[in-house]
Amino acid sequence: DGGITQSPKYLFRKEGQNVTLSCEQNLNHDAMYWYRQDPGQGLRLIYYSQIVNDFQKGDIAEGYSVSREKKESFPLTVTSAQKNPTAFYLCASSLGTAATNEKLFFGSGTQLSVL
Amino acid sequence: AQSVSQHNHHVILSEAASLELGCNYSYGGTVNLFWYVQYPGQHLQLLLKYFSGDPLVKGIKGFEAEFIKSKFSFNLRKPSVQWSDTAEYFCAVNAISGNTPLVFGKGTRLSVIA
Repeated sequence: DGGITQSPKYLFRKEGQNVTLSCEQNLNHDAMYWYRQDPGQGLRLIYYSQIVNDFQKGDIAEGYSVSREKKESFPLTVTSAQKNPTAFYLCASSLGTAATNEKLFFGSGTQLSVL
Repeated sequence: AQSVSQHNHHVILSEAASLELGCNYSYGGTVNLFWYVQYPGQHLQLLLKYFSGDPLVKGIKGFEAEFIKSKFSFNLRKPSVQWSDTAEYFCAVNAISGNTPLVFGKGTRLSVIA
């Protein structure tokens, strides 16, 4: 069953703690993305990667970090520097790059809350 | 940088009513345009897309959208909504030059009542 798997579904962070959200895809897609979804704010791009070992900042990258060591995996770390981390985080992938007009496939999301 | 505006935050319609959700973007160059939908408890999925050619594009479940270049608009329409169309709808755009990811609007929540 191909698709994008995000885990965990719910995550709680204590103040000062770093947490990592997992995103795995078995679609053999080149590009992967992390979006943050807040009520009334739509989806805002955090980071994206169009090839292994390379990634670019999106519009709201501060307080987040990513890695792309494998094609199928694009974990997102929410660091203690992110002062307002409570949100719904969506991972997506696409076969080609943004320039090749490929549609995005989305995971089911991770809801992160601060304790 | 491109941006996307969706005019309605929340739309409430009765079943069988016609739907039009507004979407405007700001970018002077050539763009690709998308509508995504998020049904309650489900993944975001592509509803329809415009790359080139006929400015009236048809998507799944009877939805269509019209690209009007002079108005920088890509409004979503459906002649007769059903209760199952209750969802959140996102317009998105990316510039063909620059190899940039999709930029999403803030979304419009559609509630269809019986």
